[in-house]
Amino acid sequence: GESVGLHLPTLSVQEGDNSIINCAYSNSASDYFIWYKQESGKGPQFIIDIRSNMDKRQGQRVTVLLNKTVKHLSLQIAATQPGDSAVYFCAEYPNRDDKIIFGKGTRLHILP
Amino acid sequence: DTAVSQTPKYLVTQMGNDKSIKCEQNLGHDTMYWYKQDSKKFLKIMFSYNNKELIINETVPNRFSPKSPDKAHLNLHINSLELGDSAVYFCASSHPGQPYGYTFGSGTRLTVV
Repeated sequence: GESVGLHLPTLSVQEGDNSIINCAYSNSASDYFIWYKQESGKGPQFIIDIRSNMDKRQGQRVTVLLNKTVKHLSLQIAATQPGDSAVYFCAEYPNRDDKIIFGKGTRLHILP
Repeated sequence: DTAVSQTPKYLVTQMGNDKSIKCEQNLGHDTMYWYKQDSKKFLKIMFSYNNKELIINETVPNRFSPKSPDKAHLNLHINSLELGDSAVYFCASSHPGQPYGYTFGSGTRLTVV
């Protein structure tokens, strides 16, 4: 079965607030963990990745945190904007078989 | 310019028919994939090709047959379509420098009636 899962299927956040999307994984051997964003009617889009030997990585308005002790991954979006409305997927890359395993997805709603 | 393009975007067909979905990427990537997304948004890999060679073939019915005429194209042919085949099918590609950073197409919504 799939080893990547999410705590919440839907998250509603006020515009301007920070969003935190959480993910649990079970495969400790994965080399990379990745976040993808899927807007309505489009394919998933790569946001940010983190290697398994890191615990934090920052991008533009996004930060990914990796806690290997509890096998937890999170995506933080600063100052959430309407354009952030989408389904967010965490994913893992086990560095074998050349395939990404996707989690179930969290829908992010931005409240005006 | 579209990086990964799929055609058609929508496909409605009757049970038992045979249909094809085409995918092309102009990124110069070596690896291409087909993923299936169900009604609950779950994404599951079906196939992966590297330089025209099949490298991943997940547990997919043999009614599904991928074909890669060159490394820029990966097509998906489906025989004897069933109701359960209704889903959104995504093509994606990646390059060796970032094998987990896929570029996805916009999807083909297949509806079998």
